[in-house]
Amino acid sequence: AQKITQTQPGMFVQEKEAVTLDCTYDTSDPSYGLFWYKQPSSGEMIFLIYQGSYDQQNATEGRYSLNFQKARKSANLVISASQLGDSAMYFCAMREGSDYKLSFGAGTTVTVRA
Amino acid sequence: EPEVTQTPSHQVTQMGQEVILRCVPISNHLYFYWYRQILGQKVEFLVSFYNNEISEKSEIFDDQFSVERPDGSNFTLKIRSTKLEDSAMYFCASEKGAEETQYFGPGTRLLVL
Repeated sequence: AQKITQTQPGMFVQEKEAVTLDCTYDTSDPSYGLFWYKQPSSGEMIFLIYQGSYDQQNATEGRYSLNFQKARKSANLVISASQLGDSAMYFCAMREGSDYKLSFGAGTTVTVRA
Repeated sequence: EPEVTQTPSHQVTQMGQEVILRCVPISNHLYFYWYRQILGQKVEFLVSFYNNEISEKSEIFDDQFSVERPDGSNFTLKIRSTKLEDSAMYFCASEKGAEETQYFGPGTRLLVL
């Protein structure tokens, strides 16, 4: 079974608008961490935001926020006030328990239109 | 701001040749990783390394692969005899402590002909 599911292969958003990228996860471990990474066309992986399973509040980092709904096992990324430079592939990833590795979703391509 | 660096950025090799991909993790980080991303596909874990030994490896990481930390700064991935299907972007990542954030390098794009 897929540990991380990103159901939106591609999205378009108008500049200055907000966009929500979906991520659902599957784990039976009560301790886990959820990450979002951005991959521009140049290829590098840029860390955006982290949410721990025991965190009481949703994570925020500047224009990025994470809508964490534990009961639904979802960790959606919200990008507010989209900029042209936000056009990229976005990956949701999870680390379970004391596991070292990250498990990634298939990614969502975001294209910001002027 | 400190960052993970990787060399080379691109490498083209012939099938059957050995390649060594190099990484310099962030200096005070203790956990090191290699991931790969075949074009258009998801990022896949290869191996994690801590305290000078492999702590976890995936089924992809077979006997053709090895990792080494030859000195205090470099972390290398060696592919002994490359296959066409090894063509991918290879990412190195490092993190300061267990269960913290992994920071990725810019990747090495490997093409096996």
